[in-house]
Amino acid sequence: AQSVTQLGSHVSVSEGALVLLRCNYSSSVPPYLFWYVQYPNQGLQLLLKYTSAATLVKGINGFEAEFKKSETSFHLTKPSAHMSDAAEYFCALTGGFKTIFGAGTRLFVKA
Amino acid sequence: DTAVSQTPKYLVTQMGNDKSIKCEQNLGHDTMYWYKQDSKKFLKIMFSYNNKELIINETVPNRFSPKSPDKAHLNLHINSLELGDSAVYFCASSQGTAGGGVGYTFGSGTRLTVV
Repeated sequence: AQSVTQLGSHVSVSEGALVLLRCNYSSSVPPYLFWYVQYPNQGLQLLLKYTSAATLVKGINGFEAEFKKSETSFHLTKPSAHMSDAAEYFCALTGGFKTIFGAGTRLFVKA
Repeated sequence: DTAVSQTPKYLVTQMGNDKSIKCEQNLGHDTMYWYKQDSKKFLKIMFSYNNKELIINETVPNRFSPKSPDKAHLNLHINSLELGDSAVYFCASSQGTAGGGVGYTFGSGTRLTVV
């Protein structure tokens, strides 16, 4: 069975601080992993993806994520938060024909 | 030029009505999806079509019927709408099926409210 768990439904950071959004997964096959961002009243936008190449993946808007097989994790980070990063973030895992999404983490950025 | 476009963006209707949501993609992708996002933001796949062939049909009531006239279009028809159908419905597309490790391109969603 495959699953995605996002730790923390809400994360709050100050502008300029490190952003860390946590994602753990379970998969019986080598996974493809993704992070998506959803701004209010919009669809999801792909931030980055891991497809078994480099374990450190760089995405758009300064985000990156590191695949750690031993920890079954794929945490999303950004060195310095910007107000425009406030959004809902989804971790996703693909196996077979299906992609399953985590429950989402709402990121708040304080001025 | 919008890559994945859904219409309508908002839909308010009464219980028992039948409604349709349309989706079109101009990316040349061969796979399209319908996802339902509930009020807690949880996303659940409903259907997926690859080159007009249904490849994913999750446990969705029979009142929901997808149709793909060609690989650029995927519509969703809902019969006898119920209060519990209120949600945001997202169309998405990808090149290749999800197993290829490709990401999705999502539409901006259709917010369905059943009253």
